[in-house]
Amino acid sequence: DGGITQSPKYLFRKEGQNVTLSCEQNLNHDAMYWYRQDPGQGLRLIYYSQIVNDFQKGDIAEGYSVSREKKESFPLTVTSAQKNPTAFYLCASSRQGPWAPYGYTFGSGTRLTVV
Amino acid sequence: QKEVEQNSGPLSVPEGAIASLNCTYSDRGSQSFFWYRQYSGKSPELIMFIYSNGDKEDGRFTAQLNKASQYVSLLIRDSQPSDSATYLCAVSLDTGRRALTFGSGTRLQVQP
Repeated sequence: DGGITQSPKYLFRKEGQNVTLSCEQNLNHDAMYWYRQDPGQGLRLIYYSQIVNDFQKGDIAEGYSVSREKKESFPLTVTSAQKNPTAFYLCASSRQGPWAPYGYTFGSGTRLTVV
Repeated sequence: QKEVEQNSGPLSVPEGAIASLNCTYSDRGSQSFFWYRQYSGKSPELIMFIYSNGDKEDGRFTAQLNKASQYVSLLIRDSQPSDSATYLCAVSLDTGRRALTFGSGTRLQVQP
């Protein structure tokens, strides 16, 4: 079955450490997205990519970096510059643009905690 | 002003009642509107899409869009305890950004 796989499900980061969250899809979707969700809040856009080797910053890109070397993969690195990274991170993809009726397909999320 | 606004709730309704959730958006040129349901600790799932003024019905769910007043609502008829979740409104804003903008979500509690 096609879908989006995020790993790991839980991740613990020490102060000053970079960590990378994996997102892989086999839906043949061109567009991929990273959102952050804090408790009791909605989703805030970190980065998005419409095609391979191209990506754009969202509202809260500071302290994060991404790459899109393959259509299937859109990893997110949380750098030490992100001072409050504890959150639920969601990766999504879409068949067409976000305006299309299909909406997003979401992964199951990664819960990142700073220890 | 937030681009997409929702009342955080919780909205509490008895089982069998109609739950009404509302969302307002700031960009008059917005074209596409989505409602997602998110259970605690899980990822959102798409339940409704609407792009033209009026009502769209799918089973117990009805989405209503009023572009002149810049609001979109979701009605859930015959509410069930399994409907208890957070409902996220998402909008494709006409800002050139090719990504959805989400509201903060409304938490719905259906009391048995």
